[in-house]
Amino acid sequence: SQTIHQWPATLVQPVGSPLSLECTVEGTSNPNLYWYRQAAGRGLQLLFYSVGIGQISSEVPQNLSASRPQDRQFILSSKKLLLSDSGFYLCAWSPNRGYYGYTFGSGTRLTVV
Amino acid sequence: SQQGEEDPQALSIQEGENATMNCSYKTSINNLQWYRQNSGRGLVHLILIRSNEREKHSGRLRVTLDTSKKSSSLLITASRAADTASYFCATAQTGANNLFFGTGTRLTVIP
Repeated sequence: SQTIHQWPATLVQPVGSPLSLECTVEGTSNPNLYWYRQAAGRGLQLLFYSVGIGQISSEVPQNLSASRPQDRQFILSSKKLLLSDSGFYLCAWSPNRGYYGYTFGSGTRLTVV
Repeated sequence: SQQGEEDPQALSIQEGENATMNCSYKTSINNLQWYRQNSGRGLVHLILIRSNEREKHSGRLRVTLDTSKKSSSLLITASRAADTASYFCATAQTGANNLFFGTGTRLTVIP
């Protein structure tokens, strides 16, 4: 069966420090991958999505970047964190053809101090 | 905005009662999905209804879709304390590569 792993679960980072969040999927090939951010008590904001290795689409101009170095690995990065980067980050995957539900990771709570 | 909007933003009911949440959206869709999120956790996919369907059931969940009104509703029957969570609708819009999520309804079921 397919599983998705996201880590770390929580992270406290100082302003100006770098960031790397990792997401991996098991049990499927060539998935669509997504990074969302959720502010406290709010909906989900799509940050990046990828339909294949090296193919990244950015939805919102920001201090973040994403990479997909392997088929089932999706990384969210920043060179210098801002206070406004605090939030709950969620990775998700879906099959690459057709319209299906997403499977989400358990999320990373990032607090920038 | 391409996001959907849920109504109400928050709902509090007694255990055993039914809970109804509504979702409105603005564009043509391929399907509409409902997700559940427990506090501090990832979202869990509950049910998907396609644009050519009007009603769908899954256990205690009943979803309706009215594409002419661009709206959907999620009914949870015989609610339980364990149903306490936030519920989000998400639309798969025609030609788009990703889902667009609403702002969610926070459901509290009081034992």
